Amino acid sequence: DADVTQTPRNRITKTGKRIMLECSQTKGHDRMYWYRQDPGLGLRLIYYSFDVKDINKGEISDGYSVSRQAQAKFSLSLESAIPNQTALYFCATSDPGLAGAPQFFGPGTRLTVL
Amino acid sequence: SQQGEEDPQALSIQEGENATMNCSYKTSINNLQWYRQNSGRGLVHLILIRSNEREKHSGRLRVTLDTSKKSSSLLITASRAADTASYFCATDAGGSYIPTFGRGTSLIVHP
Repeated sequence: DADVTQTPRNRITKTGKRIMLECSQTKGHDRMYWYRQDPGLGLRLIYYSFDVKDINKGEISDGYSVSRQAQAKFSLSLESAIPNQTALYFCATSDPGLAGAPQFFGPGTRLTVL
Repeated sequence: SQQGEEDPQALSIQEGENATMNCSYKTSINNLQWYRQNSGRGLVHLILIRSNEREKHSGRLRVTLDTSKKSSSLLITASRAADTASYFCATDAGGSYIPTFGRGTSLIVHP
């Protein structure tokens, strides 16, 4: 089984709808992250969590919210989706407190907002 | 804002040739990582180089770091069609160990 899983893998929705993207991991890492990827813009950090009670905004958190339900689960919500939130979304995990620790990415969720 | 910027944005070579990608960054870093992304899939960590290191090798990968020039390069030797992917550098400059990703270099290796 994959270490970091994301559901759904693809989603098409309409403007104004509430959407939740889910991420689960079996790596036992405390740190989890949500990124979005747009063509030509690389990855941008939306939110990150260092443990269940520690959640922080990233570079582009406006329009998004997150929930860390357990060490292994980190969900991203779009309360009212808009077309410019169409992107590829990735969840990632890393070992806490280790300088240079690699991030482990999920397979991504392709979200289209019409 | 993105700390690292890869160059070139796109690279097209023949199988067997070497591929070199560069990453430049703006502020002092703790370490720099390179990742690979196959089309539409999650990124995969390739190699880490710390700020006190100048060169590292991993299989056909060679990474250099020049902190005086604030730049790094990734060399893939004897490239294969399976190396076709996007390659990203990620710099860690703060105390929280959260990397900042560049925009990536798209590499195409023709069989």
